[in-house]
Amino acid sequence: ILNVEQSPQSLHVQEGDSTNFTCSFPSSNFYALHWYRWETAKSPEALFVMTLNGDEKKKGRISATLNTKEGYSYLYIKGSQPEDSATYLCASSTGANNLFFGTGTRLTVIP
Amino acid sequence: NAGVTQTPKFRVLKTGQSMTLLCAQDMNHEYMYWYRQDPGMGLRLIHYSVGEGTTAKGEVPDGYNVSRLKKQNFLLGLESAAPSQTSVYFCASSYGLGFYNEQFFGPGTRLTVL
Repeated sequence: ILNVEQSPQSLHVQEGDSTNFTCSFPSSNFYALHWYRWETAKSPEALFVMTLNGDEKKKGRISATLNTKEGYSYLYIKGSQPEDSATYLCASSTGANNLFFGTGTRLTVIP
Repeated sequence: NAGVTQTPKFRVLKTGQSMTLLCAQDMNHEYMYWYRQDPGMGLRLIHYSVGEGTTAKGEVPDGYNVSRLKKQNFLLGLESAAPSQTSVYFCASSYGLGFYNEQFFGPGTRLTVL
């Protein structure tokens, strides 16, 4: 069992603000890091899957970075919009047969 | 494309009853997964399948059985439900092995065991 931690648990930001959250995972035997976006009453949707140290990925106003040596990933949202309100999940894998999820960061963007 | 669908959406069982949750995907994905979501915990993998006719245990497999008789369907069975199995169950599928490829999730099944 892998201990994947996300911080903060929740945050509120004003529309237009930029924000970021953290996913921490054990750096040994790292295989892959996933980010998912989960809106209320919907299913989790994949944002990024990253495997290499130093990976940076971007999708619109959302981007993510990965540091496998120190065991963390950051998710950034630039110019938050109310439609960005969701829970953001990260998950880490140490091999070909497991994926361990954190408990998520719940983001609320206030108009 | 419907994507990943789950049947039923809600179910209430009494302790000891059995039931089967159905997951179906129309994306021709090889890999399928069953997770459970409990308050204060991350999604936890119950069982997964890397292809038709194959299944494997995940993190929390006890009390559950699965079958993958057809590529598009993945069934999760509870033979004798217990209150500890009250949870929201999510099915997912992926084109490549989903531990390093994105997974596509269904809408979830909320199960209550009394």
